This record gives sequence, C-alpha cells and structure tokens, in this order.
Amino acid sequence: KNEVEQSPQNLTAQEGEFITINCSYSVGISALHWLQQHPGGGIVSLFMLSSGKKKHGRLIATINIQEKHSSLHITASHPRDSAVYICAVNSNSGYALNFGKGTSLLVTP
Amino acid sequence: DGGITQSPKYLFRKEGQNVTLSCEQNLNHDAMYWYRQDPGQGLRLIYYSQIVNDFQKGDIAEGYSVSREKKESFPLTVTSAQKNPTAFYLCASSIGGGHQPQHFGDGTRLSIL
Repeated sequence: KNEVEQSPQNLTAQEGEFITINCSYSVGISALHWLQQHPGGGIVSLFMLSSGKKKHGRLIATINIQEKHSSLHITASHPRDSAVYICAVNSNSGYALNFGKGTSLLVTP
Repeated sequence: DGGITQSPKYLFRKEGQNVTLSCEQNLNHDAMYWYRQDPGQGLRLIYYSQIVNDFQKGDIAEGYSVSREKKESFPLTVTSAQKNPTAFYLCASSIGGGHQPQHFGDGTRLSIL
C-alpha cells in the first residue's frame, strides 16, 4: 500500500469553480509538499508545510498532522491551472520524498 | 537564472545499450536526486546524493548507476541490466535533505527502439 494516497485521481471543473484535492498519508512526517506537473513534464514546487495553512495567490494548502491529511484548494479556477498535482511527504525515517500518484486536473472554459 | 538542466529531453536506446542522462544544477545545492515516473504511478526514487563523492540507492536502483564527482552534476546511467527502461526520468536538487523544497528539472523521456 502506498504511503501517500491522493483523491480524486482525476478532476474536471469549469472555470471559476473552487477545487479541492486531498492527500492522506500513513507515516510520521517532517514535512508535506504539494507539486504541480504540467503536460511537458516539468515539476514546480508549490508548497512545503509541516503545520497549519499556507496561501499563495489563488492556491491554499492546509495540513492536519493529527489526522495525517492535507488539502490543496484552488479558488476561482482557470484553464491554466490544468495540470497534475502531486502530494509528497518527507517521512521521519527517510531522506527523500514519498510521492502520491497525482491528481489530474482539467479546467474547462 | 538558477535551475536544473536535464538533457536530452528525448532519448532512444537500442536493446543492450547503456545510456547516460545528464543533470546539471547551478543552485549550489548539496543534495541531488533521480526519480523515475511511469504512467499511473507516483515518482519513485532511483538514487540520491547528499554530498560530492557520495550517493545512496533508492527504492529502484537495480539496473542504474550514478556518479557525483562534482557538486553541480549528477549523471544517471541506464544500463542494459535495466529490463524495462522506458519511462520519464526526473532529476531534482535541494539545499539539504529532510524537509527542504526540491527543485526539479524538466525531465528526460527514454524510449526503447
């Protein structure tokens, strides 16, 4: 069983909708990352968080350490938000990241 | 601009050949990583290096080799022992290990002819 589970696997939304992507993990972590992968394949780091909430523009990431759960929210979604969003964690026992399988988001005009 | 450069973007290999994927960073990061991405799966760690002249196996190191002779360079060789090398390969770097943001390259897509 993967240590990091994301839902939904695929998501289609209309422009302007509020979007939520969920991430659950089963190990103790030192940090959780949200990443964005565009169709060309390159990956950009969006957030790194270990508690609470972070906001950058229309993106908001939250984490609940007790429940081992994080959410990525996109407000006022736009077609340019279409990408794969990946959750990854630094476990307490490991050096590198453990990745979820990603959520493929399509925002239509 | 600082960043990570992977080359080539597309690579084709014949059966039985070794190929080397390049990864260069000018971010002055100590740690570098190689990941493999297959359709429908999360990224999986092949090798990582915390410092020059040192590297560690990840979860799927069999059939791969790396070197870290310079801080800015971490090439990955896909050997003929890797039976299923067709995949998308991503290189990343970070200031240190643990909970540090990782910066990713644009990837190399390897296919078998």
